[in-house]
Amino acid sequence: DGGITQSPKYLFRKEGQNVTLSCEQNLNHDAMYWYRQDPGQGLRLIYYSQIVNDFQKGDIAEGYSVSREKKESFPLTVTSAQKNPTAFYLCASSIGRDNEQFFGPGTRLTVL
Amino acid sequence: GDSVTQMEGPVTLSEEAFLTINCTYTATGYPSLFWYVQYPGEGLQLLLKATKADDKGSNKGFEATYRKETTSFHLEKGSVQVSDSAVYFCALRNKFGNEKLTFGTGTRLTIIP
Repeated sequence: DGGITQSPKYLFRKEGQNVTLSCEQNLNHDAMYWYRQDPGQGLRLIYYSQIVNDFQKGDIAEGYSVSREKKESFPLTVTSAQKNPTAFYLCASSIGRDNEQFFGPGTRLTVL
Repeated sequence: GDSVTQMEGPVTLSEEAFLTINCTYTATGYPSLFWYVQYPGEGLQLLLKATKADDKGSNKGFEATYRKETTSFHLEKGSVQVSDSAVYFCALRNKFGNEKLTFGTGTRLTIIP
């Protein structure tokens, strides 16, 4: 059963701590994306990767970091430099950059 | 830059009512247009898409037509069901630049029996 998994579903962190959100896909997709969703707003692109060992900043990359060491994995680290990290984070993937994006179920991060 | 404007919600309708959710866009070139749906607590699912002017996307009784002259991609359904209650996002992907998806703010739809 192919798809995208994100873990955990809910995540709590204390202010000042880094936290890493997991995203795994078994769809054999080359491209992967991280979006942030805030109440009443559309999704905003944080980072994207079109191929292993390569990634690009999106519109709101400050305070975030990513890695793409394996095709199936694209973890997102929310660092203490991110001023307002509480949000719903969505990972997506696509065969290539001009193909349909498939989304994971999301991780809701709350900073206490 | 590219942008998408959706009608503000929330929208509440009775079951079997006709649905229209307006979406207009601003983009250079000839973008592809999408409607995504998000059910409570879940990620987004692609509902339908259109890649060129006058194309009609359709799925699960929903339709949207790519209107270049009015830069619009309005979502319609003739008879909504309670199970259609969700948040709907209009989005575009430009063929220039990094081809990212640009989303509207979403419209929450609630269908009452």
